[in-house]
Amino acid sequence: DQQVKQNSPSLSVQEGRISILNCDYTNSMFDYFLWYKKYPAEGPTFLISISSIKDKNEDGRFTVFLNKSAKHLSLHIVPSQPGDSAVYFCAANLYNFNKFYFGSGTKLNVKP
Amino acid sequence: DGGITQSPKYLFRKEGQNVTLSCEQNLNHDAMYWYRQDPGQGLRLIYYSQIVNDFQKGDIAEGYSVSREKKESFPLTVTSAQKNPTAFYLCASTDGGKNTGELFFGEGSRLTVL
Repeated sequence: DQQVKQNSPSLSVQEGRISILNCDYTNSMFDYFLWYKKYPAEGPTFLISISSIKDKNEDGRFTVFLNKSAKHLSLHIVPSQPGDSAVYFCAANLYNFNKFYFGSGTKLNVKP
Repeated sequence: DGGITQSPKYLFRKEGQNVTLSCEQNLNHDAMYWYRQDPGQGLRLIYYSQIVNDFQKGDIAEGYSVSREKKESFPLTVTSAQKNPTAFYLCASTDGGKNTGELFFGEGSRLTVL
């Protein structure tokens, strides 16, 4: 049973526009959420995170929003750049168990 | 520089052979993990270890084995019992939430069964 879901396998946006990647989770006990970016044949790299006590975290062009009542988080990239083209994974963590659950990923393509 | 080193990057195996993937970290992290990625799928947890000499099965542990004799090392053995071993394997570590709780990943090892 997948506890973290990314229902959009791919997303295509124009350079300069906003990219919105979505993620849903089922376990209300998750207390920390992370986004990772991955290029082919490489390990994922950490992008941004948010604690469950917050509803927004911003880092440059990247903003993560958390809606706990809906068990939903999203990653906004503004403005999108061609170099942002990659697969994005969301992950959730149960702090006390130090166990991470990953979604299936969304492949973002930013067109020049 | 601190980081996670996985080797080999590419590995070919004949059916019926066991292979061991190496994972070494110099980040002084307590927890280490092995994930598997298949095309179009997310990262699935194979095994994880929160401390030396202790490890737990993840969601897809069948056909795999691990050891954690040293803090820096968490090798994964893909046994002949693993029916579909061709995949991209990722090792990761974390400081156990002492700071951001972020997972750090290695570059991955691609295993192909011939």
